[in-house]
Amino acid sequence: DVKVTQSSRYLVKRTGEKVFLECVQDMDHENMFWYRQDPGLGLRLIYFSYDVKMKEKGDIPEGYSVSREKKERFSLILESASTNQTSMYLCASKVQDTYSYEQYFGPGTRLTVT
Amino acid sequence: AQSVTQLDSHVSVSEGTPVLLRCNYSSSYSPSLFWYVQHPNKGLQLLLKYTSAATLVKGINGFEAEFKKSETSFHLTKPSAHMSDAAEYFCVVSEGNNDMRFGAGTRLTVKP
Repeated sequence: DVKVTQSSRYLVKRTGEKVFLECVQDMDHENMFWYRQDPGLGLRLIYFSYDVKMKEKGDIPEGYSVSREKKERFSLILESASTNQTSMYLCASKVQDTYSYEQYFGPGTRLTVT
Repeated sequence: AQSVTQLDSHVSVSEGTPVLLRCNYSSSYSPSLFWYVQHPNKGLQLLLKYTSAATLVKGINGFEAEFKKSETSFHLTKPSAHMSDAAEYFCVVSEGNNDMRFGAGTRLTVKP
C-alpha cells in the first residue's frame, strides 16, 4: 500500500514564525503536491513537484515556498506565518504516468496561526 | 480550464435509504473524473474514477457514478446508506496529468 505521511497532525504557531510542514511518501512517486483545504472551498493546489529540486506553482502559491531535496520528501514552508494561513494542509503523491491520475493523500496537518 | 460544481454542500439521509451526491463539471477536453471521500480527521481516499472507459463506474463500499457527457454530470450514488458512509465527499475533474480541480465538497450525514 502507498503510504504518505505528514510530520504533524496538529500544529499551533505564532504570527511571523517560520513554519515547516514535512511530507514523506514510500512508493517512489515522482510527483508530489501540497494542497490547502478550507470549508466551502475544497482543495486548492499550492505547489507541486515533478522531480527532485523541481517545482511548479499551483493556484495559491503566495506566502508559501517548497523544497524537494530527496525524491521521497516534499516540504512546505511558510516563511512568515499569518493568521489567514490557518488551514488544513494535505500532501499527495502520484506516479509520473500519463495514464495514471490517482493521487494518494496523507492524513493532513491542521495548522493554527495565532 | 476545467472546473467542478458540487450542487449540495450538505446531504442528510436515513440509514438504509439511497444516497445521491450531485456533481457537474466543465471541461474543454475529455476529462477524467473522480470521487474522493474524507472521513473525519483522515486523508482523502479514492472512491472511484472515470477515465473514458465504461460510463458507469463502480467504486469501493458499494458506491457508483455515471458519466453523462450530454448533461456534464458525474453524480455519485449508493443504493443503501450505512452509518459508516458519513463523511465529506469531493468530486474532482482532471484534464491533464498533474492538474486536478476539486469541488467544494458535500458533507453526507447518515441518521440512524
